[in-house]
Amino acid sequence: EPEVTQTPSHQVTQMGQEVILRCVPISNHLYFYWYRQILGQKVEFLVSFYNNEISEKSEIFDDQFSVERPDGSNFTLKIRSTKLEDSAMYFCASSDVRNLGGYTFGSGTRLTVV
Amino acid sequence: GENVEQHPSTLSVQEGDSAVIKCTYSDSASNYFPWYKQELGKGPQLIIDIRSNVGEKKDQRIAVTLNKTAKHFSLHITETQPEDSAVYFCAARSNTGNQFYFGTGTSLTVIP
Repeated sequence: EPEVTQTPSHQVTQMGQEVILRCVPISNHLYFYWYRQILGQKVEFLVSFYNNEISEKSEIFDDQFSVERPDGSNFTLKIRSTKLEDSAMYFCASSDVRNLGGYTFGSGTRLTVV
Repeated sequence: GENVEQHPSTLSVQEGDSAVIKCTYSDSASNYFPWYKQELGKGPQLIIDIRSNVGEKKDQRIAVTLNKTAKHFSLHITETQPEDSAVYFCAARSNTGNQFYFGTGTSLTVIP
């Protein structure tokens, strides 16, 4: 069964450093998403991406965040200057435009900012 | 915006018993309601979904019911097995956007 792959599975970074979280969506999917889950809290929407541009973003997705699809397979989330409160599990997801149903999620990257 | 509430936060059942998880939503424009199962170290996996034009949907031991008037939907797992132990999330999405609004999750433990 096709999978969404995320790397790394766990990243520890110093406050103020830049981090890039990587995702390889399912190959024939056209919509891509990032969500995050702070420990003990809800899974929260960050951003959706379609046709090489952001289609929707939440209030969380401020100027410190950016997304990119640098090639035909990778989809990345960059946090420019990490804060302690960015510590969370970050999930990438993708969906097929012909099936506006549930996403396929990756297994997540646990980001710890120290 | 949408607000999804989920109860209970933890649930323990004996193997073979049924488990019910309930969610409410606030936005009457929401029209798609998936349920995700998250096992330790893995991402959420879609297990069943329901759209607002349907009141109930069943897939083997799993069923979901939707009451649009009351704005609540529920997940029912019958004949539970130890491998059903996981965290379950409900979610809602409106037809005006891409994003899902998730509940806080229910940690289900099935005791052998």
